[in-house]
Amino acid sequence: GESVGLHLPTLSVQEGDNSIINCAYSNSASDYFIWYKQESGKGPQFIIDIRSNMDKRQGQRVTVLLNKTVKHLSLQIAATQPGDSAVYFCAENTNTGNQFYFGTGTSLTVIP
Amino acid sequence: ETGVTQSPTHLIKTRGQQVTLRCSSQSGHNTVSWYQQALGQGPQFIFQYYREEENGRGNFPPRFSGLQFPNYSSELNVNALELDDSALYLCASSLRGAVYEAFFGQGTRLTVV
Repeated sequence: GESVGLHLPTLSVQEGDNSIINCAYSNSASDYFIWYKQESGKGPQFIIDIRSNMDKRQGQRVTVLLNKTVKHLSLQIAATQPGDSAVYFCAENTNTGNQFYFGTGTSLTVIP
Repeated sequence: ETGVTQSPTHLIKTRGQQVTLRCSSQSGHNTVSWYQQALGQGPQFIFQYYREEENGRGNFPPRFSGLQFPNYSSELNVNALELDDSALYLCASSLRGAVYEAFFGQGTRLTVV
């Protein structure tokens, strides 16, 4: 079966510092990955995605890195803000698949 | 806001009862997926509906069933509720084949007592 896991269940960072959230996946056929942010009481919110033909993609204050060799994904958040406090999930899919496989999540706490 | 709405937001049911959860998809989206999210876990895929038919199912028993209507809205039905069914139920809407455009609703928190 699918297995998407995160290395650290919790992460605390000082406001203004950079955050790095890691994720491991096991299905070498996965070719599409999304990072979601989930705030308390809300559904997952799309942050950034990356396809397997890329190894880096940048958004506004966020960067996703993909290392297919070791099946590892990371999310970097620059200048972390209190509003970034949430649980972050990585999710994988094949480009023709109909479901996402989610990891357990990492809880990010930003200390003012 | 994603444009995906779910109702109700919270629900309490007794073990053995049946429940129906509803989801209105984002305008223009023809595919709805349902996920179960237990406390402290990531969402788990239940099933997906496209053109009013089930289009893939996760590892959930038959007492989890669904419907999709011509306007693409959807229902999730759970029969013979068990305590372990207590979770946040999420629906995500997308365009068929455009898996990268899946948007989630805020979820329905179901508590089974």
